[in-house]
Amino acid sequence: EPEVTQTPSHQVTQMGQEVILRCVPISNHLYFYWYRQILGQKVEFLVSFYNNEISEKSEIFDDQFSVERPDGSNFTLKIRSTKLEDSAMYFCASNDRGGTDTQYFGPGTRLTVL
Amino acid sequence: QKEVEQDPGPLSVPEGAIVSLNCTYSNSAFQYFMWYRQYSRKGPELLMYTYSSGNKEDGRFTAQVDKSSKYISLFIRDSQPSDSATYLCAMIPPRGQNFVFGPGTRLSVLP
Repeated sequence: EPEVTQTPSHQVTQMGQEVILRCVPISNHLYFYWYRQILGQKVEFLVSFYNNEISEKSEIFDDQFSVERPDGSNFTLKIRSTKLEDSAMYFCASNDRGGTDTQYFGPGTRLTVL
Repeated sequence: QKEVEQDPGPLSVPEGAIVSLNCTYSNSAFQYFMWYRQYSRKGPELLMYTYSSGNKEDGRFTAQVDKSSKYISLFIRDSQPSDSATYLCAMIPPRGQNFVFGPGTRLSVLP
């Protein structure tokens, strides 16, 4: 069964450093998403991406964040200058019809900012 | 008032029990509702997807939606220790693509 994959599973970085989180969505999907889950808190939407551009973003997704689809398979989330409060699980999701279609989630990347 | 609310639990039940998990929401425009299961340090896994009031059944799971009360439920019959996880309700706002998640209910099924 096709699935969303994410790398690395755990990333440790120093405050102020840049990190790139990688996702490989399900191959025939066209809509891509990033979510964040701070430990013990709810899953929060960050951004959605379609046709090589951001279609929607939340207040959390400020200028420190960017997303990119550098090739036909990868979807990345970059945090330019990490802060302690960026420590969280980051989930990538995808679907093939966007909108109200259900989203399939990856296993997540645990980001720890020291 | 929070957009989506769930009792955080933890909810502990014996194996074989019927479990009832609930969410309330404030935005009457939500049309599509999902239940996800999340094991510790894993991504959410879709269990059920509904878009109308009433019941939808899939194996041991039944999702119930009452739009007039802005209340959704997930019932698990014959619960198993492997059902121990956090259960998240999610719904889609009008004209939005992002899901709005509830905070989750942690369930523990004891053998």
